[in-house]
Amino acid sequence: ILNVEQSPQSLHVQEGDSTNFTCSFPSSNFYALHWYRWETAKSPEALFVMTLNGDEKKKGRISATLNTKEGYSYLYIKGSQPEDSATYLCAFRQNQGGKLIFGQGTELSVKP
Amino acid sequence: DTAVSQTPKYLVTQMGNDKSIKCEQNLGHDTMYWYKQDSKKFLKIMFSYNNKELIINETVPNRFSPKSPDKAHLNLHINSLELGDSAVYFCASSQESRAYEQYFGPGTRLTVT
Repeated sequence: ILNVEQSPQSLHVQEGDSTNFTCSFPSSNFYALHWYRWETAKSPEALFVMTLNGDEKKKGRISATLNTKEGYSYLYIKGSQPEDSATYLCAFRQNQGGKLIFGQGTELSVKP
Repeated sequence: DTAVSQTPKYLVTQMGNDKSIKCEQNLGHDTMYWYKQDSKKFLKIMFSYNNKELIINETVPNRFSPKSPDKAHLNLHINSLELGDSAVYFCASSQESRAYEQYFGPGTRLTVT
């Protein structure tokens, strides 16, 4: 059974704080690691797809790193804003055409 | 323009009924998926179709039958609905020739009473 674990499960920060959370996945047979942002009452929205060990991706104030050898990815949000409040999902894929295995998500709440 | 659309958005029905959820994508993607969001809010893959061919079929009761009339559509038909089928069902699509992200539809909240 392949497990994808995310921590923490939830996070409450103040506006302006920088924050980060972790996604752990199996370190063998790696194909891709996805990050999604999921706002309440909406559908998951892709942030990043990472495929190479050492990959770093950035979109505005959000960035992610990937370590496939040890099986983890970090998502960073710099200067959190209330509109960043959402659940952040990571998903692991072992091969092309294979299924995405989702973690349970990290629920971020940013207070003004 | 809506990239991945699902209908209906809400579906309330009684046990034992048969119902369908439709999904359409206008992104030109070659692969479509159905996910179920379980009670713990995990997204779990149910089915995946690539160019109208079934490529992923998870351990799903055979009361659930996907149908892909063409690359842009993947419908989900559910026979003899049970209480445990109540969930939010998401359709998604992607271009599988590359490790592209998946685009999700808005979800269909199914309530079986």
